[in-house]
Amino acid sequence: EVQLVETGGGLIQPGGSLRLSCAASGFIVSNTYISWVRQAPGKGLEWVSIIYSGGSTYYADSVKGRFTISRDNSKNTLFLQMNRLRAEDTAVYYCARVLDYGGNLYWYFDLWGRGTLVTVSS
Amino acid sequence: EIVLTQSPATLSLSPGERATLSCRASQSVSSYLAWYQQKPGQAPRLLIYDASNRATGIPARFSGSGSGTDFTLTISSLEPEDFAVYYCQQRSNWPLVTFGGGTKVEIK
Repeated sequence: EVQLVETGGGLIQPGGSLRLSCAASGFIVSNTYISWVRQAPGKGLEWVSIIYSGGSTYYADSVKGRFTISRDNSKNTLFLQMNRLRAEDTAVYYCARVLDYGGNLYWYFDLWGRGTLVTVSS
Repeated sequence: EIVLTQSPATLSLSPGERATLSCRASQSVSSYLAWYQQKPGQAPRLLIYDASNRATGIPARFSGSGSGTDFTLTISSLEPEDFAVYYCQQRSNWPLVTFGGGTKVEIK
């Protein structure tokens, strides 16, 4: 089955660190582009970061310098290292795959995980 | 940053009625716009990409139109499972994509 499964969320104090994981099955993460997208409680969606198949990475301004996206090809897993966490980082974090039709990227997200909740609070 | 404004915030309709949702961009995004459906406790589901193309497995009652700054998602006849929140997303300046604030379609 083609799916993404996020883990690693939890309650963390402001200023703390957390690492999220996104395990993929049914496809190879190193052959695709995968993003992290977050959703604060009761709010809309916010793009956070992306890693290209070639390894390039990009970040939203709100997390640049604090979050790092990476992957372990041997485990077919994506990570999001989150440092210096703030209350406004509280959200459900989804990993999402970029739509690829026959080698053409469409920069929309066709496969999402169920998300993992990160709560930043003292 | 390209800002997407969705309207209305809430749409109250009955099953069988037609739903028309709007998404307006702060600058032209050509046809680079998608629509997603999200139900409570679930991840978003891609419905429409590049303004008017239905994603795999999406019923024909969902259709998208528009270009430039004004886009519309139409659900021709609402089914009970269509009551959800809908988001638009632009990819004009990828990878820095942005989403709209959402429209909730609720049962009247």
